[in-house]
Formats: sequence, C-alpha cells, structure tokens
Amino acid sequence: GAGVSQSPRYKVAKRGQDVALRCDPISGHVSLFWYQQALGQGPEFLTYFQNEAQLDKSGLPSDRFFAERPEGSVSTLKIQRTQQEDSAVYLCASSAPGPNQPQHFGDGTRLSIL
Amino acid sequence: QKEVEQDPGPLSVPEGAIVSLNCTYSNSAFQYFMWYRQYSRKGPELLMYTYSSGNKEDGRFTAQVDKSSKYISLFIRDSQPSDSATYLCAMRAQGGSEKLVFGKGTKLTVNP
Repeated sequence: GAGVSQSPRYKVAKRGQDVALRCDPISGHVSLFWYQQALGQGPEFLTYFQNEAQLDKSGLPSDRFFAERPEGSVSTLKIQRTQQEDSAVYLCASSAPGPNQPQHFGDGTRLSIL
Repeated sequence: QKEVEQDPGPLSVPEGAIVSLNCTYSNSAFQYFMWYRQYSRKGPELLMYTYSSGNKEDGRFTAQVDKSSKYISLFIRDSQPSDSATYLCAMRAQGGSEKLVFGKGTKLTVNP
C-alpha cells in the first residue's frame, strides 16, 4: 500500500517567489499534518486538518504561510514571498480515523531559498 | 526551555551493544509518547507508540515512560549497523490539538 506522498521532493526558489508544496495522505486517513524540519532539528508543528477542516494552525510562522485541504484528501502548503529562513524540509503526516491514532510521515519536500 | 529536551549526540557504539536513548519533558499534559527513526533524507518512521506510564517491548526495542519524572527512554538491544539513524522522541497531550512535539533527535551510529 502507498504511504504518504509528497511532491516535489526538492524545490529551489529565489527569495520573494511563491511556492506550493503538495501532500497526498494515505488512503482513508482523515487527519493530515504539516511540520517544518530545520537542519539538525526535530520537526516543528505547523498546522493540521481533520477532513477539510483546519483545526489548528497555531504553528504557522507568519501570514505568508497558508495551507488548504479543500476536498478532505490532498493538501497544499503555500508559502508566499519566500525568505531565506523558510529553507527547511517540509514534512506531511496523516493518521487513520479514530482517537489517538499514530501519525505516519512522508519523505518531505526539501525547500531551498536562494 | 523547550517543552521536550533530547541530547543530540552524536552517539557511536559497536555492533551488538545495548543503546539507551532518552528525552525529558516539562508539560505534564503529555500522555502519548512516540519514538521515530529517521534515516538521512527520509521521513520519520514510527517505531514505538505508548500511552501514559509503563514499558512496551517490540523485538529488539523497548520503550519506557516515567511520567513522575517526566522522562522517556528507548532501548535497542543487539544493535545493528542498520540501526544507524537519527532517533526522535515525540509526544502529545490527550484531547485538544493532535499536534506532536518533537525532541531535537539523537544521531546514532552503530559500527560493524
């Protein structure tokens, strides 16, 4: 069975450009999470969805970061007017229906801002 | 002070050694505790998932949670070179947001 799929795997953008990162969760998983992992650090929570509802966006670092999941499956994380400090690996995770299910991660998108 | 503290290492051991990895935390609301393994340029892979205090064993891996001390551990027996990776502890509270709070990760190398 397929795991969490993220695309692109690598993205290079110039400072000031907008980028969009995509996440395909495991089929049937209702919760979807975004994390940011800086080099040598653990993942930091950004936001999460249950179906199409965004239940917590407390980790988004600024209003340049926006996430959506309009049909409750695929999700897109958008970063506007990128800055060098946005360079990181962006990880997506999903979890099965039911309380307290474990989160399963994709391999991430490595974003480099020049 | 971060909510979850984890010694980043690096930790280097010979093949066959017993490895002990640890995290401490400050938020008494944390009830669910996880250990993930992350290979270079890959996503975190769930190893162990425990609720509240106690021990859980799965093959060569044992997870321990001591909520009174706010301390969790992962033990790896008979370590193998393939265990060389970064080990991340993660935890979350019961109820409310399902977000995970991670430690910094410990980089482990098992030498043949």
